[in-house]
Amino acid sequence: QVQLQQSGPGLVKPSQTLSLTCAISGDSVSSNSAVWNWIRQSPSRGLEWLGRTYYKSKWYNNYAVSVKSRISINPDTSKNQFSLQLNSVSPEDTALYYCARGDQAMDVWGQGTTVTVSS
Amino acid sequence: QSVLTQPPSVSAAPGQKVTISCSGSTSNIAKNYVSWYQQLPGTAPKLLIYENNRRPSGIPDRFSGSKSGTSATLAITGLQTGDEADYYCGTWDSSLSAVVFGGGTTLTVL
Repeated sequence: QVQLQQSGPGLVKPSQTLSLTCAISGDSVSSNSAVWNWIRQSPSRGLEWLGRTYYKSKWYNNYAVSVKSRISINPDTSKNQFSLQLNSVSPEDTALYYCARGDQAMDVWGQGTTVTVSS
Repeated sequence: QSVLTQPPSVSAAPGQKVTISCSGSTSNIAKNYVSWYQQLPGTAPKLLIYENNRRPSGIPDRFSGSKSGTSATLAITGLQTGDEADYYCGTWDSSLSAVVFGGGTTLTVL
């Protein structure tokens, strides 16, 4: 049974970097058949896909246009996890953040982390 | 403003059938598989339907999906009070190179 366990701070100051980690059990971040995503949810923006990382002979990333200049999603093969870094955050980045496995359909989700951007 | 359009809310009586629509475009629904998610209050979304009409293991056949052109539909039969939740559609958008979601539909079982 695949499980995703999220960790990271729930409060970030404006202009700083939001950092979250998603630890994988029951699958491998390096699997050739899995895609690892970050998605956020807020009342104003609904479900918003932020980006993904996956391995198919080499590592690939795709990012949403809305955050492309500020985002980085990185795998950590030694710890079997992947991370989200979102730079220069503002209050508009306040949301419930999820990691999830899936290409077009997300079949496994993390528990969610509420991140508030406030001074 | 979501890329995919869903009705904000639907309602029906227990035991009845309800359908939830998801409208997209030629760059998303028309070209790619559609998935559907159920989100109960305070929980993460749960995959109900993938590849337009396939159910993951454990999802009852009361839930079904279909797709035609630039639209998709989730149907739920034999409604139960436990089906009260928010439902979201999702797919890949080939122009945006991104996963896109609908704005969500709140189902009320009267």
